[in-house]
Amino acid sequence: DIQMTQSPSSLSASVGDRVTITCQASQDISNSLNWYQQKPGKAPKLLINDASNLETGVPSRFSGSGSGTYFTFTISSLQPEDIATYYCQHYDNLPWTFGQGTRVEIK
Amino acid sequence: QVQLVESGGGLVKPGGSLRLSCAASGFAFSDNYMSWIRQAPGKGLEWISYISSRGSTIYYADSVKGRFTISRDNARNSLYLQMNSLRAEDTAVYYCARLYSSSSRSSFDYWGQGTLVTVSS
Repeated sequence: DIQMTQSPSSLSASVGDRVTITCQASQDISNSLNWYQQKPGKAPKLLINDASNLETGVPSRFSGSGSGTYFTFTISSLQPEDIATYYCQHYDNLPWTFGQGTRVEIK
Repeated sequence: QVQLVESGGGLVKPGGSLRLSCAASGFAFSDNYMSWIRQAPGKGLEWISYISSRGSTIYYADSVKGRFTISRDNARNSLYLQMNSLRAEDTAVYYCARLYSSSSRSSFDYWGQGTLVTVSS
């Protein structure tokens, strides 16, 4: 199984800060990566597919990049409504696996 | 709009069984792959199964293979998960999700609100 390792596990930043989360795959997954946002008590929401394609309706302050084994997810200007846990997920082959999540809080 | 509503969760004893349902609306259910994903309390997400649009292709995670069965009824716009031989480690919120699947990508683009399954004596 492909292991997905996110870093950091949690972070605290101020409103307006640039926030970056990394996701490392245990083997080459090309660009077969999605990013999800999960707010407390809610279901996850798909934000980015194919490593860098923003889903329709998702604010442009969210972005993703990377390929192979190293990926990044960035919030260019953190907003209060971005408080959530963010997960990467690969779909290179089965079983599809998620990273352990990164909790984002406001400082 | 797309809606997925899970039901059937609850408290069950180890070794017991439970059947989850997911009612879909707002999209062409019979044209879409579907999946179940779970989340143990305070933990991350775990994909556990998917089923193709007509039910001809099914996959399971090793953690549930042989114990869980995914199925669908396209006439009823419903997805199911039959869970047998339940263990304490199966305690989780179970989400049904629409699986967008193409030749180049797969993603869970719509999710239900989840249903909690608790396995405890």
